[in-house]
Amino acid sequence: GDSVTQMEGPVTLSEEAFLTINCTYTATGYPSLFWYVQYPGEGLQLLLKATKADDKGSNKGFEATYRKETTSFHLEKGSVQVSDSAVYFCALRGNTGNQFYFGTGTSLTVIP
Amino acid sequence: EPEVTQTPSHQVTQMGQEVILRCVPISNHLYFYWYRQILGQKVEFLVSFYNNEISEKSEIFDDQFSVERPDGSNFTLKIRSTKLEDSAMYFCASGRAQHTYEQYFGPGTRLTVT
Repeated sequence: GDSVTQMEGPVTLSEEAFLTINCTYTATGYPSLFWYVQYPGEGLQLLLKATKADDKGSNKGFEATYRKETTSFHLEKGSVQVSDSAVYFCALRGNTGNQFYFGTGTSLTVIP
Repeated sequence: EPEVTQTPSHQVTQMGQEVILRCVPISNHLYFYWYRQILGQKVEFLVSFYNNEISEKSEIFDDQFSVERPDGSNFTLKIRSTKLEDSAMYFCASGRAQHTYEQYFGPGTRLTVT
């Protein structure tokens, strides 16, 4: 069945460091891929998405490219800030149904 | 900006008791969902709800669980006879249309069964 495997955390980085959070997926057909972010005390918020192969989603300096050949959707940011400290979830939605399949989440802490 | 709200933020209950988790979806949304995350594990889909009936459910969503939209604004998840393994964070989500890409999530209710 459809599933997502996400890099385990926690991740601690210094401000302005480069961030990569790995995400790979298993799905039949052509799923849509997402990164959600959860700030402390808040709900899951959509960070970015990509709906077909080679699409690049971007938002708030974060980017992820839908790579069908490697079944990956890694999240990257060139220079993290303290305000980026949160839990990041990779997710996919398959071709049938509306349910999302999530990874376990990666906790990121950025220190000044 | 409209948001999904959930109450309570934390619920503690004894094994065997019934609990009701409440959600207020965004007002013009038509599709509603419950997910859960057991500590350290993945966020798992439980059920989706549209037009006053369940449209999809996972294997987790057995007879112990039920959902209801009692009054046109609230969306509830009832867990009968809770078990220790029901301890988890429960997330409600809503969406505008069936094939919209985005689901809007609430902050979650942490359920602890003792």
